[in-house]
Amino acid sequence: KAGVTQTPRYLIKTRGQQVTLSCSPISGHRSVSWYQQTPGQGLQFLFEYFSETQRNKGNFPGRFSGRQFSNSRSEMNVSTLELGDSALYLCASSLNLGETQYFGPGTRLLVL
Amino acid sequence: QKEVEQNSGPLSVPEGAIASLNCTYSDRGSQSFFWYRQYSGKSPELIMFIYSNGDKEDGRFTAQLNKASQYVSLLIRDSQPSDSATYLCAVMTGGGNKLTFGTGTQLKVEL
Repeated sequence: KAGVTQTPRYLIKTRGQQVTLSCSPISGHRSVSWYQQTPGQGLQFLFEYFSETQRNKGNFPGRFSGRQFSNSRSEMNVSTLELGDSALYLCASSLNLGETQYFGPGTRLLVL
Repeated sequence: QKEVEQNSGPLSVPEGAIASLNCTYSDRGSQSFFWYRQYSGKSPELIMFIYSNGDKEDGRFTAQLNKASQYVSLLIRDSQPSDSATYLCAVMTGGGNKLTFGTGTQLKVEL
């Protein structure tokens, strides 16, 4: 069974731009969560989706948003990029909410 | 107080030894506990999960949970150089998916 896939794997953007990251969960998994990993803050929860609904959101500004489609694929968007948004963005999928999460390879975003 | 605390290390052990990684958490309502391994430049990989007090063994790995002491540990027996990585402790609280991670412990297994 294929794992979680994320596209693109690498991105370079400039301040003020926006970016959309994509995540395809493991086949049959219905829940997708997003995390940000930086050297300073570690791994931090962004938001989680189940049945196309955002169920929980972490402590991030409104510039960070996401959605989930009917096939469980998910996208996250960051608008008005700031230098501090440079990070590894990780998507994790689970069969249902509250179950074990498996991470994708991540998208490494560099904001210049 | 951080929600999930780990010693950042590095923890150095000789090849073949037992590596012991520890984690404490602050929320007594936490229900599920996970250990992930992360190699440099890679994403976290699930090693083990544990829900109930006691020990859970999987191959060379043993997870231990003590909810009264709010303590989770991971033992790696017969440590190999390939075990050298950062080990992340993660705690799930509530019915959703939110994982709260510790900062990770860097493990170095030396020849």
